[in-house]
Amino acid sequence: EIVLTQSPGTLSLSPGERATLSCRASENIDTSLGWYQQRPGQAPRLLVYHASSRATGVPARFSGSGSGTDFILTISSLEPEDFAVYYCQHRGSWQTFGQGTKLEIK
Amino acid sequence: QVQLQESGPRLVKTSETLSLTCTVSGGSITYYYWSWIRQSPGKELEWIGYVYYSDSPKYNPALQSRVTMSVDTSKNQFSLNLTSATAADTAVYYCARYSGNYFQHWGLGTLVTVSS
Repeated sequence: EIVLTQSPGTLSLSPGERATLSCRASENIDTSLGWYQQRPGQAPRLLVYHASSRATGVPARFSGSGSGTDFILTISSLEPEDFAVYYCQHRGSWQTFGQGTKLEIK
Repeated sequence: QVQLQESGPRLVKTSETLSLTCTVSGGSITYYYWSWIRQSPGKELEWIGYVYYSDSPKYNPALQSRVTMSVDTSKNQFSLNLTSATAADTAVYYCARYSGNYFQHWGLGTLVTVSS
C-alpha cells in the first residue's frame, strides 16, 4: 500500500504570498498524483492531475510539479479564496489520499 | 456540465445498513467509473470504492466485507450499501466521477450520522 504524507500540516501565510505544499509518496509513483482543494463546507475540487496538469478552470497561479516520490503544489500569489485544505491523491492498488495541508490566513 | 447529487437517510441506527444513492445529470452514467468517498468530521478523505456499469466494482480493502455498490442505468444512478454500520461510519459521504485516475466531479456531499 502506497502512503502519501503531506507537509506541513498547517501553513500560515498572508494574501499575496507564495505557498508551497509538499506531498511525499512511500514508493515511486511516477507522475500519477492529483491535488485537490477543499474549502470549508464544500466538496473537494480537482486542481492538478498527472502531477503538473491543471484541471479545467483552475487559475494559473496554481502549479504542480514533481515525479517519483516528491511532489509540490505551488500557489504563486495567494488570493483570499485560496485559504482551504489541500489533499494529494494517488491511484495505486486502491485510491489513497494524503492527510491534508491546511492553508490558513496569517 | 455533469452534476451529482447524493440522497438517502441522514440518520442510521447502529448495526443497520447505510444506503445512499447518487443521481447523475448532464451525461450518461455508462461512460465513466463512479465512486464513493467519505470524510469523518475533521478527518481526511477515505475512498470507499468505485463501480462501472458493466464491470465488477472495486472496494477499499478496509471496508470490502461490508460494502456493495451498483449502477442503475435506467435511472442514471449508482448506489452504496454499507452493512453493520457503527459510529465510526458517521461521515460526510460524497459521490464522484472517476476518470483518468482522478476524481473530476463531486457531489455536494451528505452527512450521515450513525447512532443507536
